Amino acid sequence: RKEVEQDPGPFNVPEGATVAFNCTYSNSASQSFFWYRQDCRKEPKLLMSVYSSGNEDGRFTAQLNRASQYISLLIRDSKLSDSATYLCVVRYNTGGFKTIFGAGTRLFVKA
Amino acid sequence: GAVVSQHPSWVICKSGTSVKIECRSLDFQATTMFWYRQFPKQSLMLMATSNEGSKATYEQGVEKDKFLINHASLTLSTLTVTSAHPEDSSFYICSARDQPGFSGRSETQYFGPGTRLLVL
Repeated sequence: RKEVEQDPGPFNVPEGATVAFNCTYSNSASQSFFWYRQDCRKEPKLLMSVYSSGNEDGRFTAQLNRASQYISLLIRDSKLSDSATYLCVVRYNTGGFKTIFGAGTRLFVKA
Repeated sequence: GAVVSQHPSWVICKSGTSVKIECRSLDFQATTMFWYRQFPKQSLMLMATSNEGSKATYEQGVEKDKFLINHASLTLSTLTVTSAHPEDSSFYICSARDQPGFSGRSETQYFGPGTRLLVL
């Protein structure tokens, strides 16, 4: 089983739609969680950290479910510019921090 | 936000040559930098973690003698691909982790723009 798993998609949604991605992780000792966005042939950029209490940044909402070991990202009112690959990132400490990237979920928002 | 630069942005070289890639944190000090490799349509793969002033920690399966990492200062880490071969052609990305208090969030990674390596 992969340490971090994501549905690769692609998710094809119309503008204005709400879309949600899930990401599961296998290491229960995972401490930090992030969502990154990666545009085609570009480097990943931090979208948001995921806190235990959940957090919201504009149209984006991230949630953490430690009991079920997954994090989610909800995008409301999708824009064309949201089209990208969304990477789930998990960090844990095993005598040194280890950062694991998911393979990413591709999102296409269409007019 | 913090800025991380990489140089060169792309390089084409002949098989057997060595290629050095630089990663710099421009406006913050990074005690830890990371080197990743990404093949087309695949996720980032962490190659090694580089701590300033000490030896890099390589991920399983990454040859430390082939991918030499030097982190001589708090703002510069270099990756040298020695005796590059076509299978080393990839997108190499570095990231730098800021120190607590810099961004208001602990341990945020800032990525460089990446270096495309093509080995002929």
